[in-house]
Amino acid sequence: KAGVTQTPRYLIKTRGQQVTLSCSPISGHRSVSWYQQTPGQGLQFLFEYFSETQRNKGNFPGRFSGRQFSNSRSEMNVSTLELGDSALYLCASSSFPGLVTYEQYFGPGTRLTVT
Amino acid sequence: KQEVTQIPAALSVPEGENLVLNCSFTDSAIYNLQWFRQDPGKGLTSLLLIQSSQREQTSGRLNASLDKSSGRSTLYIAASQPGDSATYLCAVHNYGQNFVFGPGTRLSVLP
Repeated sequence: KAGVTQTPRYLIKTRGQQVTLSCSPISGHRSVSWYQQTPGQGLQFLFEYFSETQRNKGNFPGRFSGRQFSNSRSEMNVSTLELGDSALYLCASSSFPGLVTYEQYFGPGTRLTVT
Repeated sequence: KQEVTQIPAALSVPEGENLVLNCSFTDSAIYNLQWFRQDPGKGLTSLLLIQSSQREQTSGRLNASLDKSSGRSTLYIAASQPGDSATYLCAVHNYGQNFVFGPGTRLSVLP
């Protein structure tokens, strides 16, 4: 079974631009979560989608948004990029949230650098 | 609000040693707890998942325990190897909420 895939793997953008990151979950998984990882703040939760609906949202500004498609693939978008948005963006795939067996599987991440 | 801490922040041991990594959480009403390892610049690899009703889980040289009442989990690594060098993170899942991650323990196993 193929794992979680994220594209692109590396991205360099300029302040003020916008960016879209993509995540394809494990086949059969319907939940996708997004995280931002920085050396200073660690792993921070952005949002979670299940069956095309946002279930949870972290404490990030409205510049960060996401969506999920009917095939469970998810995208996240960051508008008006700031230097502080430079980070590793990780996507996690899981089956059904809310179960005690709910386990997350992570993709390799997208390294975003904002200059 | 769930808060997760991990001690120590960094650990350096000679090859072959047994070691224990600690994870503490403030809200004991958890669904489950998951341990991950992360190599530099890479994604997270799931190691073990402990459900709230379980006391421990084992996989190879790894053993994770859970004590909900005290808000603690430990990850025991037996006979450490240089390939075990990585950052180890624990993540706690409460009902209706997202996973909350600890800051991680950076492990170096010296040959």
